[in-house]
Amino acid sequence: KAGVTQTPRYLIKTRGQQVTLSCSPISGHRSVSWYQQTPGQGLQFLFEYFSETQRNKGNFPGRFSGRQFSNSRSEMNVSTLELGDSALYLCASSLAGRETQYFGPGTRLLVL
Amino acid sequence: QQQVKQSPQSLIVQKGGISIINCAYENTAFDYFPWYQQFPGKGPALLIAIRPDVSEKKEGRFTISFNKSAKQFSLHIMDSQPGDSATYFCAALYSGTYKYIFGTGTRLKVLA
Repeated sequence: KAGVTQTPRYLIKTRGQQVTLSCSPISGHRSVSWYQQTPGQGLQFLFEYFSETQRNKGNFPGRFSGRQFSNSRSEMNVSTLELGDSALYLCASSLAGRETQYFGPGTRLLVL
Repeated sequence: QQQVKQSPQSLIVQKGGISIINCAYENTAFDYFPWYQQFPGKGPALLIAIRPDVSEKKEGRFTISFNKSAKQFSLHIMDSQPGDSATYFCAALYSGTYKYIFGTGTRLKVLA
């Protein structure tokens, strides 16, 4: 069974731009969660989607948004990028949200 | 606000030794406590997890000890091996939700 895939793996943007990251969950998994990982802060929860609905949201500004499609694939978007948005963005999938989460390799975003 | 505090930040252990990583939480509304292992360039992978009605869980060389009254849980790695060198994260899942809170991570190095 293929694991969680994330595209792109690396991204360089400049301040003020926007970016869209993509996540394809494990086949059959309907829950997708997104996390921001930075040194010293660990993983911080962004949001979780199930059946195209956002069920939980973390404490991030409205510039961070996401969506999920009917095939469970998910995208997250960050608008008006700031230097502090430089991070590894991880997505994780699970069957329904409260079981084992399987993480993708992440997208490393660098904002210049 | 960090609701799961993890220590130490880094740990060096001799091969064959015991590695111990501790986490403390503040919110009693957590009902699932997983530990993740992350190698460089990879996403975190579930190592072992425990629910608050159990005081200890062992899987191979990995053991979680859980102290509900003290709101603490710890990971013990017995007979530590160089291949265990990685970053370890504890996490907690809010009861009735799909939101995980992660510790800030412990970088473990096992010397050969």
